[in-house]
Amino acid sequence: EAQVTQNPRYLITVTGKKLTVTCSQNMNHEYMSWYRQDPGLGLRQIYYSMNVEVTDKGDVPEGYKVSRKEKRNFPLILESPSPNQTSLYFCASSFGVPSSEQYFGPGTRLTVT
Amino acid sequence: QQQVKQSPQSLIVQKGGISIINCAYENTAFDYFPWYQQFPGKGPALLIAIRPDVSEKKEGRFTISFNKSAKQFSLHIMDSQPGDSATYFCAASMVQAGTALIFGKGTTLSVSS
Repeated sequence: EAQVTQNPRYLITVTGKKLTVTCSQNMNHEYMSWYRQDPGLGLRQIYYSMNVEVTDKGDVPEGYKVSRKEKRNFPLILESPSPNQTSLYFCASSFGVPSSEQYFGPGTRLTVT
Repeated sequence: QQQVKQSPQSLIVQKGGISIINCAYENTAFDYFPWYQQFPGKGPALLIAIRPDVSEKKEGRFTISFNKSAKQFSLHIMDSQPGDSATYFCAASMVQAGTALIFGKGTTLSVSS
């Protein structure tokens, strides 16, 4: 089944404790990205990757890191999480240009206390 | 100029009624306008999309109306059903330039039975 998977689905952590949210897709998509969804603010792009070893900032990159060492994986790293990073995070992928149909993962709900 | 403004923020419609969600944009270079549907606990999924060379696109009960001169587009859900209860996001992008989707802030639709 073609899909985007994220782990973990739920995470509660404390301020400053480094964490990684994994994202993997099995559709051989070149383009992958991370979004955060907050009430009243919609979906905002954090980082994106056009292909392996090519990453760039989205609209809200502060406090986040990413890497793209393999085509299928695009982990999101929070080196020192803060409470304002409490949010619902989505990984997405697409074939070719970023404006084509985006396939979203199921989401990761992160709470930073 | 990169914003996509979506309204209303929430909408309650009776079963069988018509749901209408509106979006407006400023950047005339946008050339791709999709709508995404998100059910609780799930990631968004592409519902329907339109290019600016047509004024309307219909897929089943879902129709996009596009007004290029007014820089507005809307989603109409005919014969709304309780199963349509979800959050809807409009988006816009520049396909030729290969830019990422810019999402509206979302509309939460509740269809009462």
